[in-house]
Amino acid sequence: EADIYQTPRYLVIGTGKKITLECSQTMGHDKMYWYQQDPGMELHLIHYSYGVNSTEKGDLSSESTVSRIRTEHFPLTLESARPSHTSQYLCASRADRGPFIGELFFGEGSRLTVL
Amino acid sequence: TQLLEQSPQFLSIQEGENLTVYCNSSSVFSSLQWYRQEPGEGPVLLVTVVTGGEVKKLKRLTFQFGDARKDSSLHITAAQPGDTGLYLCAGAPFNDYKLSFGAGTTVTVRA
Repeated sequence: EADIYQTPRYLVIGTGKKITLECSQTMGHDKMYWYQQDPGMELHLIHYSYGVNSTEKGDLSSESTVSRIRTEHFPLTLESARPSHTSQYLCASRADRGPFIGELFFGEGSRLTVL
Repeated sequence: TQLLEQSPQFLSIQEGENLTVYCNSSSVFSSLQWYRQEPGEGPVLLVTVVTGGEVKKLKRLTFQFGDARKDSSLHITAAQPGDTGLYLCAGAPFNDYKLSFGAGTTVTVRA
């Protein structure tokens, strides 16, 4: 069973509110990722980190920001939520061993609804 | 334009039937992974294939990686209701740690 946790699981908020989605893993993985998932669409990478104090934007432009102050913690923040931010947000971590890509461990997701 | 195209998008079959899900791309991948996601959960890795032409079998599931490393298939024999879920393929380009995901195939196995 994966040791990666996301909170909250569900969040309904009004437009303009600031929100933070929490993600923590206890596996000591250096690489962590945030994906956005909408029905019928591929998972879009919005942020990733390869270690403490390292963060990069992913392939899908996002108004959210992330931080990586500790290895185990990778929170995502939206300063001013809008209805277009309504989506499922998945956090994942990975440890690569050898030349090939390792297993991505996903949290259960945070479903955000912005009214 | 999706980097990885999965087909079909939806598949509904009766328990005991066989099914095949496809994952195609014009890009070459160093490795390809298949994940299954159940409602309310995050995706869980089923398999990683790393060699062109490779075939991996996990009980009733058979995974194939194309010779040119651009496509893959997942075949389930004698499907069971527990196989119901969203099946996602993900490809890793050479020299890049970022995976690209397909949109997934939703499989429903009716009892």
